[in-house]
Amino acid sequence: KQEVTQIPAALSVPEGENLVLNCSFTDSAIYNLQWFRQDPGKGLTSLLLIQSSQREQTSGRLNASLDKSSGRSTLYIAASQPGDSATYLCAVRRLGGGADGLTFGKGTHLIIQP
Amino acid sequence: DTAVSQTPKYLVTQMGNDKSIKCEQNLGHDTMYWYKQDSKKFLKIMFSYNNKELIINETVPNRFSPKSPDKAHLNLHINSLELGDSAVYFCASSQGPGNQPQHFGDGTRLSIL
Repeated sequence: KQEVTQIPAALSVPEGENLVLNCSFTDSAIYNLQWFRQDPGKGLTSLLLIQSSQREQTSGRLNASLDKSSGRSTLYIAASQPGDSATYLCAVRRLGGGADGLTFGKGTHLIIQP
Repeated sequence: DTAVSQTPKYLVTQMGNDKSIKCEQNLGHDTMYWYKQDSKKFLKIMFSYNNKELIINETVPNRFSPKSPDKAHLNLHINSLELGDSAVYFCASSQGPGNQPQHFGDGTRLSIL
């Protein structure tokens, strides 16, 4: 059974700092790994998707890496801004036939202090 | 244009009632999903559905049933609502066998009195 763990559960840093969010998963048989952000009372916004054959993906100030063999991913946020404050969720999609959903971690609640 | 839309956004109802949440996607995707986010904000898959297959998470009570009138819609029907059903329910969709991103709706907050 796939389990996804995110560390830390919460993080508060001053504006401008670079930071790293961690995600680990127990079963390396995955299609891909997706990072989302969720703002309070809102839905999920997809940030980055890394296929199992890829090592990293970049979008603006965000960089996500994937080490499938060790079951780890990191989300790097450069030059953090108050608008980055949100809950960040990591989710993996397992290999296998048929329609199947994502397995989520419990998220990292990020606060960027102005 | 909203890619994945859910209605209603909020639903407050009494224990024991039957209710439905609607979901529509205009992305042309072939697979749709329902997720439940509990009070601790933990998201768990409930159902996955495409025109070939319905996959049900084993922890979902049979009071919950997805119904798809067409490829663009996957509605969630809930019978005999219980207090523990209070949560935010998210609909999502994706295209293809599994290597494509999932797109989420804004959620429906269900509160049981």
